Amino acid sequence: SQTIHQWPATLVQPVGSPLSLECTVEGTSNPNLYWYRQAAGRGLQLLFYSVGIGQISSEVPQNLSASRPQDRQFILSSKKLLLSDSGFYLCAWSAVINSPLHFGNGTRLTVT
Amino acid sequence: QKEVEQDPGPLSVPEGAIVSLNCTYSNSAFQYFMWYRQYSRKGPELLMYTYSSGNKEDGRFTAQVDKSSKYISLFIRDSQPSDSATYLCAMTGRRALTFGSGTRLQVQP
Repeated sequence: SQTIHQWPATLVQPVGSPLSLECTVEGTSNPNLYWYRQAAGRGLQLLFYSVGIGQISSEVPQNLSASRPQDRQFILSSKKLLLSDSGFYLCAWSAVINSPLHFGNGTRLTVT
Repeated sequence: QKEVEQDPGPLSVPEGAIVSLNCTYSNSAFQYFMWYRQYSRKGPELLMYTYSSGNKEDGRFTAQVDKSSKYISLFIRDSQPSDSATYLCAMTGRRALTFGSGTRLQVQP
């Protein structure tokens, strides 16, 4: 069966520091991979998605970037965090672009 | 106007009640519809996945889609305290899913 791992679970970082969140998927090949951010009471905002190694689509221009160095690895990064980057970050995978998503358990990021 | 509208709640019901959760949408290109349940500090988990208009039942859960009205619903029968969570609708056409903002449900024992 497929599993998705996301870490760390919680993170507190000062403004201006770098960020790296990692997500890996097991049990499937060539998944579509996604990064979402969830702000309180505001639903899920799609940040990036990838249909293959090195292929990244950005949905919202912002202080973040994503990379997919391996088939089942997806990384969310920032060079300098802003206070507004605080939130709950979720990684997800799907078999094809319009099929159900399967989520990891998220990283709660607090920028201080 | 948002593409997907969902009442944020909170919705509080007694144990055993029938719960009705709803979303409306504006994009007629949406063809696939999903409901997710999210417990506090966890990722959303898929509950229901439907494509066509009509009803789909899975245990205590029934998903209903009315494409002509651009309206989807999730019904929970015999609600339990363990159903207390946030419920998100999601839908898509050919792109990544668009989510509603979620409805927080509290089932009181």
